[in-house]
Amino acid sequence: QKEVEQNSGPLSVPEGAIASLNCTYSDRGSQSFFWYRQYSGKSPELIMFIYSNGDKEDGRFTAQLNKASQYVSLLIRDSQPSDSATYLCAVKDGNNRLAFGKGNQVVVIP
Amino acid sequence: NAGVTQTPKFQVLKTGQSMTLQCAQDMNHNSMYWYRQDPGMGLRLIYYSASEGTTDKGEVPNGYNVSRLNKREFSLRLESAAPSQTSVYFCASSEGTIQETQYFGPGTRLLVL
Repeated sequence: QKEVEQNSGPLSVPEGAIASLNCTYSDRGSQSFFWYRQYSGKSPELIMFIYSNGDKEDGRFTAQLNKASQYVSLLIRDSQPSDSATYLCAVKDGNNRLAFGKGNQVVVIP
Repeated sequence: NAGVTQTPKFQVLKTGQSMTLQCAQDMNHNSMYWYRQDPGMGLRLIYYSASEGTTDKGEVPNGYNVSRLNKREFSLRLESAAPSQTSVYFCASSEGTIQETQYFGPGTRLLVL
């Protein structure tokens, strides 16, 4: 069973601070990595994807991938109350199937 | 452009009843997926269809059947509902290549009594 592990939460951060989320995966052959955001009662929506080692920035979000250590992380800079949500890490296998972590709840405190 | 649509939004069933969850996408995607999401368990893949005419089991297929009716539509059937199938069900679609994303429908909330 391929596993995707996320830190237990929730993570509370003050407005304007950096939220840091981590995810580890077991399948060393995984090639594609995704971060989804899910608001309560809504469906997941993609916020970032990363395929290569290193950092990828998109606005206030930065994804970091380290394939050797098998982890992927997400940084949210200048956190806003609208960032309060559950963040799901997902890893795609060779059959194009996504394995999801259980998610990290982020609460941004005004 | 509606993206991925699901019907119904909510459903209450009694144990042993059957029902079909419908999913359709208008993005001309090749691949479609059914997930269930339970508290503390994350999203788990039930079945997927890599392309029209093919279906494969995911992580938790027991108690479910699927039909890829055409390229647009992918249905999930519960033949004899059980309380353990109380969950939120999401359909998703993707182009079907390794380096691209899945787009999710709004979900169906199912309660089995």
